[in-house]
Amino acid sequence: EIVMTQSPATLSVSPGERATLSCRANESIDTDLAWYQQKPGQAPRLLIYGASARATGVPARFSGSGSGTEFTLTISGLQSEDFAVYFCQQYNNWYNFGQGTKLEI
Amino acid sequence: QVQLVQSGAEVKKPGSSVRVSCKASGDTFSTDSVNWVRQAPGQGLEWMGRIIPFLGTSNYAQRFHGRVTITADESTGTVYMDLISLSSEDTAIYYCTRRARVGGFDVWGQGTMVTVSS
Repeated sequence: EIVMTQSPATLSVSPGERATLSCRANESIDTDLAWYQQKPGQAPRLLIYGASARATGVPARFSGSGSGTEFTLTISGLQSEDFAVYFCQQYNNWYNFGQGTKLEI
Repeated sequence: QVQLVQSGAEVKKPGSSVRVSCKASGDTFSTDSVNWVRQAPGQGLEWMGRIIPFLGTSNYAQRFHGRVTITADESTGTVYMDLISLSSEDTAIYYCTRRARVGGFDVWGQGTMVTVSS
């Protein structure tokens, strides 16, 4: 089974600053990686697929990078609505999610 | 654009079973796969299984094998998830979600809270 590990568990950042979230797979998944944002009481929202492609309607301040086993989600110029929990997901071999990173003010 | 509308919250006794439905509105499932993902209170996301409605084929995560069944009624555009032998550990929000053709899950239902309690 592919195990996805996210770090850090919690990230404290000020509005306007940049946040960098990490996701690691225990084996290569090429670029078969997605990122999701989840706010309290809501379903997850797809942000990034293919490790770096933004989903429809996702602002340009969200960017993804990486391949193989190491991936990064970067949020530039944090806005108040960006404070949420972020999950990575591999879809190279079925589906597995990371445990999430809580982005807090 | 398809929307996924799920059935309402359920409260179940340990040892019983639950059925959650997921209906497509605004479009059909076409050739997409429909997946079920659950989230225990305060926890992360866990993939349970999927179905490709027009093929009728289902696949399940190993840890749920034998306890979960996912079926589809193409005539009504509805997918069902049945989970048996419930325990308190099955208390969670259950989401149906569509696999995007480019990758990831791009459309999500609103979630169905299933509470298992004696």
